[in-house]
Amino acid sequence: AQTVTQSQPEMSVQEAETVTLSCTYDTSESNYYLFWYKQPPSRQMILVIRQEAYKQQNATENRFSVNFQKAAKSFSLKISDSQLGDTAMYFCAFMKHGGADSWGKLQFGAGTQVVVTP
Amino acid sequence: GAVVSQHPSWVICKSGTSVKIECRSLDFQATTMFWYRQFPKQSLMLMATSNEGSKATYEQGVEKDKFLINHASLTLSTLTVTSAHPEDSSFYICSATQGYTEAFFGQGTRLTVV
Repeated sequence: AQTVTQSQPEMSVQEAETVTLSCTYDTSESNYYLFWYKQPPSRQMILVIRQEAYKQQNATENRFSVNFQKAAKSFSLKISDSQLGDTAMYFCAFMKHGGADSWGKLQFGAGTQVVVTP
Repeated sequence: GAVVSQHPSWVICKSGTSVKIECRSLDFQATTMFWYRQFPKQSLMLMATSNEGSKATYEQGVEKDKFLINHASLTLSTLTVTSAHPEDSSFYICSATQGYTEAFFGQGTRLTVV
């Protein structure tokens, strides 16, 4: 079984500043994916960024980047140039590289509430 | 990205009645759909995995007879909460994939049992 741990319940950051969210996971799988999802007040889940475990290069999507440390089982998210619209709950998620009938099955961390202040 | 729609967005029902929540993939055929439950200020907990034409696979601790899942077509999965009680009040979210695509989420359904 996998576990995903987010140890920061809430983070506050000022506009234009940078904030880093931590995530650690535990798995015996060798092939897997990691994700960061954003859940704004609307509660719609939005994919922020994805990392394939077999790729050493850290994923980047505009202002969002990850620091993937496979040996340490760590997967942190950095939000640069924070904007008011980034205020949301952020979930780290793990997905095993399985068959097509279970592809998309996600295990989520507890979440980190990010509040961006003016 | 692909669109997944849940209906209704919110529902209030009386204790002891059943309520059905629909999850539709609007512009793709969803080979697999997932149902999650989310309590206030908490994470999403997977309830079950649903493949078209097959029985759903429930996670440990999820009552199969309480939460009936049907995936009758490649675009529709339904979750029926039977004999609902106040402790079943929660936010229910579905997601869907087509083969090896990313998971696309519905907007969620807030269920309140009174």
